[in-house]
Amino acid sequence: DAGVIQSPRHEVTEMGQEVTLRCKPISGHNSLFWYRQTMMRGLELLIYFNNNVPIDDSGMPEDRFSAKMPNASFSTLKIQPSEPRDSAVYFCASSFGRGSGGHTDTQYFGPGTRLTVL
Amino acid sequence: QKEVEQDPGPLSVPEGAIVSLNCTYSNSAFQYFMWYRQYSRKGPELLMYTYSSGNKEDGRFTAQVDKSSKYISLFIRDSQPSDSATYLCAMEALNTGFQKLVFGTGTRLLVSP
Repeated sequence: DAGVIQSPRHEVTEMGQEVTLRCKPISGHNSLFWYRQTMMRGLELLIYFNNNVPIDDSGMPEDRFSAKMPNASFSTLKIQPSEPRDSAVYFCASSFGRGSGGHTDTQYFGPGTRLTVL
Repeated sequence: QKEVEQDPGPLSVPEGAIVSLNCTYSNSAFQYFMWYRQYSRKGPELLMYTYSSGNKEDGRFTAQVDKSSKYISLFIRDSQPSDSATYLCAMEALNTGFQKLVFGTGTRLLVSP
């Protein structure tokens, strides 16, 4: 399996522009997670989907952020308008959902998109 | 105060040393504990997981949880240069209806040959 695929790997944009990040989860996984990683705040969960339905978006910083999962093999995270403080590495991860012990099954992370907003 | 605290390092050790990486947490509902390893410019990958208190060993790696102290540790024996990476602890409260891992900020480990 190719693993979780993210595109683009790097994105440099100017403040005010729209940014769209893309993710293809591992085939067969039914949970998809979007994270943001910064030096100061570490890895933070933004939103996650289960069977293509958004379950928890409490980590989305503000209305400028939106995420969609139109089908089981594709998700997008959009920032409109972008701001310099959005600069971070954005990771997508996928999993089979819940493990037998009630915990989240192993999450497999993509390589990330490094976003720089000037 | 963050729910999970982790010293960012870097922690520099010579090859062959025993490494101890630690996290403290404040949420007593956490019951599932994980260690992820993240190489530079890569996504995190799960290294080990354990429930509640106790030890778990996997090769050169040992994960330890002390729920009474709200403290978890990862020990690496006979450290190798290939172990140089950032190690993130992660935790989850079970039976909440949500799948939500809370991560530490990571400790950067450098193992010199």
